[in-house]
Amino acid sequence: NAGVTQTPKFRVLKTGQSMTLLCAQDMNHEYMYWYRQDPGMGLRLIHYSVGEGTTAKGEVPDGYNVSRLKKQNFLLGLESAAPSQTSVYFCASRYDRMDGYTFGSGTRLTVV
Amino acid sequence: GDSVTQMEGPVTLSEEAFLTINCTYTATGYPSLFWYVQYPGEGLQLLLKATKADDKGSNKGFEATYRKETTSFHLEKGSVQVSDSAVYFCALSDRRGGSEKLVFGKGTKLTVNP
Repeated sequence: NAGVTQTPKFRVLKTGQSMTLLCAQDMNHEYMYWYRQDPGMGLRLIHYSVGEGTTAKGEVPDGYNVSRLKKQNFLLGLESAAPSQTSVYFCASRYDRMDGYTFGSGTRLTVV
Repeated sequence: GDSVTQMEGPVTLSEEAFLTINCTYTATGYPSLFWYVQYPGEGLQLLLKATKADDKGSNKGFEATYRKETTSFHLEKGSVQVSDSAVYFCALSDRRGGSEKLVFGKGTKLTVNP
């Protein structure tokens, strides 16, 4: 049982490049989330999804886009990377609103 | 809106000391409460949870009791180990409030010295 899998684990981008982070879960969870974690800032919600085909903005959505075409996958896109997007990105999922999250192991992104 | 306030760190203890990390919450409905732990370089892992008043969650020697009267969910461990060094996050999920996401505290960094 893999849980929540994030790819890639590490990435270095140049300013202006684009990339997609993939989150995959095998637990049949409805809800999926993308967070970023910066030193001293705790977790900040970027975007989330309450089911296949749905997405919603979180606290810090600017500069990011997401898609949930399949229930098990939640993609986070950076169209034009900026140094301010250097961070550790975590994906999480849960079955319903009573449940806690299961987190992935994170993607460490550096934008130079 | 819903919120979680946990004690700011960092907290530094010696091995075998008693640990308390305070967490209080504000919620409009009847939340479920969680403690997550994040070891260095890793993602967050669920440590324990409680879903109703007076429930006690426990795991790996850690405990927390859901206190509705004081709106608290303090994390405790009787004897910490060096391996407990991590960041601890308190969180809530408000079932009645229709919240679609967990609300997290800012995290408390614990360092345990041998």
